Amino acid sequence: GAVVSQHPSWVICKSGTSVKIECRSLDFQATTMFWYRQFPKQSLMLMATSNEGSKATYEQGVEKDKFLINHASLTLSTLTVTSAHPEDSSFYICSAREPGPQEPQHFGDGTRLSIL
Amino acid sequence: AQSVTQLGSHVSVSEGALVLLRCNYSSSVPPYLFWYVQYPNQGLQLLLKYTTGATLVKGINGFEAEFKKSETSFHLTKPSAHMSDAAEYFCAVKADYGQNFVFGPGTRLSVLP
Repeated sequence: GAVVSQHPSWVICKSGTSVKIECRSLDFQATTMFWYRQFPKQSLMLMATSNEGSKATYEQGVEKDKFLINHASLTLSTLTVTSAHPEDSSFYICSAREPGPQEPQHFGDGTRLSIL
Repeated sequence: AQSVTQLGSHVSVSEGALVLLRCNYSSSVPPYLFWYVQYPNQGLQLLLKYTTGATLVKGINGFEAEFKKSETSFHLTKPSAHMSDAAEYFCAVKADYGQNFVFGPGTRLSVLP
């Protein structure tokens, strides 16, 4: 089955630092990747949709300069949380899908980000 | 536009009992429907999907779901609950065009011994 690897799984860092999260599709080419944020006991909140080789499409209310997304290849997308603050602490999940209208999203295991 | 509702944010069943998790959707075009499961501190895992064809879809871990167009429903069932089924379950809908998936709010399943 399609496997998506997300790294790191857990990050603790000081306020003001930048954190990069990687999302890789291991056995398929992902023309589209998605980045979600999930608060405790809540559903997924889509942050942005990332297409290989083009700029990400951000959802309303998501700061582009705060959450930098790069999708440089068909198997790798990165999310960089710049100058992170405690309110950025959350669970971030990426997903990827193959081309085709019927293809599902395949999710990474998520990254727990804690900003002190 | 698509939307998803999941009736019951929390469902409790006894081990061995029937599991029924409800999902209703709205879509102006024929939808593709998905069920995902999420265990604590993990991402989502695809349980099953409906795209076209047979309306009763079988998935992993003994789960199945039936697409009922007239009821705009895609309820998830499992004949006999196991302790390991305790998790959060999300229903999602996608139009047959575009990229966007719409996820429901989720249902937390508890399995009692």
